[in-house]
Amino acid sequence: EIVLTQSPVILSLSPGETATLSCRASQSVRSHLGWYQQKPGQAPRLLIYDASNRATGIPARFSGSGSGTDFTLTISSLEPEDFAVYYCQHRSNWPTFGQGTKVEI
Amino acid sequence: QAQLEESGGGVVQPGGSLRLSCEASGYFYTTYGMHWVRQAPGKGLEWVAFIRHDGSNKYHGGAVRGRFTISRESSKVFLEMNSLRPEDTAVYYCAKDDYGGNFPQYMDVWGKGTTVIVSS
Repeated sequence: EIVLTQSPVILSLSPGETATLSCRASQSVRSHLGWYQQKPGQAPRLLIYDASNRATGIPARFSGSGSGTDFTLTISSLEPEDFAVYYCQHRSNWPTFGQGTKVEI
Repeated sequence: QAQLEESGGGVVQPGGSLRLSCEASGYFYTTYGMHWVRQAPGKGLEWVAFIRHDGSNKYHGGAVRGRFTISRESSKVFLEMNSLRPEDTAVYYCAKDDYGGNFPQYMDVWGKGTTVIVSS
C-alpha cells in the first residue's frame, strides 16, 4: 500500500496570500495523484487530477504540480471560500488518501 | 447534472449488518465506475470499495475486505456491510469515478453521505 504524507498539517494564512500544500508518496506514483477540497459538513470536491489537470469548473487559482513522489497544490490569492481541508489521493486498484492539510485563517 | 443520493445508514450493534444504497441520476450511469468512501468522525477520508461500470470488477479496501461487498444494479450501487465493528462508524459517501476504465481513478461527483454508527 502506498502511503501519502501531507504537510503541513495546518496552514494559517490570510485572504490574498498564496497557499502551498505538499503531498509525498512512499514510492513513485508517476503522475497518478489528485487533490480534493472538503469544507465542514460537505462532501469532498475534486480539484486536480493526474497531478496538474484542473477538474471541471475549478478556478485557475488552483494549480497542481509534481511527479514521482513529491507533489504540490498551490492556491494563488486565497479567497475566503478556500479555507478548508485539502486531501491528496493516489489512484490505483487500492486508492489511498493523505491525512489532510487544513488551510485556516 | 450528475447527482448521487445515499441511503440506508443508521445505528447497528457490533456484529450486525447494514446495506447502503446510492442512486445515481443526471448522467449515463452505466459508463462509469462507482466508489464508496468513508470518513470517521473528525478523521480523514478512507477509500472503501470500487465497482467497474459493468460490475465485472470489484475492489475492496483492506480494512473491509471479507466483510463488505459492493454491487450495482440499474442506476443504483450498494454496499453490503457485515460483521460491523465500532471502528466502521463513519459517514459513508458514494462517489462516481471520473473514467470508465477497469480500475479506480478519481472521484468527480459525490453524494452528501449517509451516517453509520456501530454501537451497543
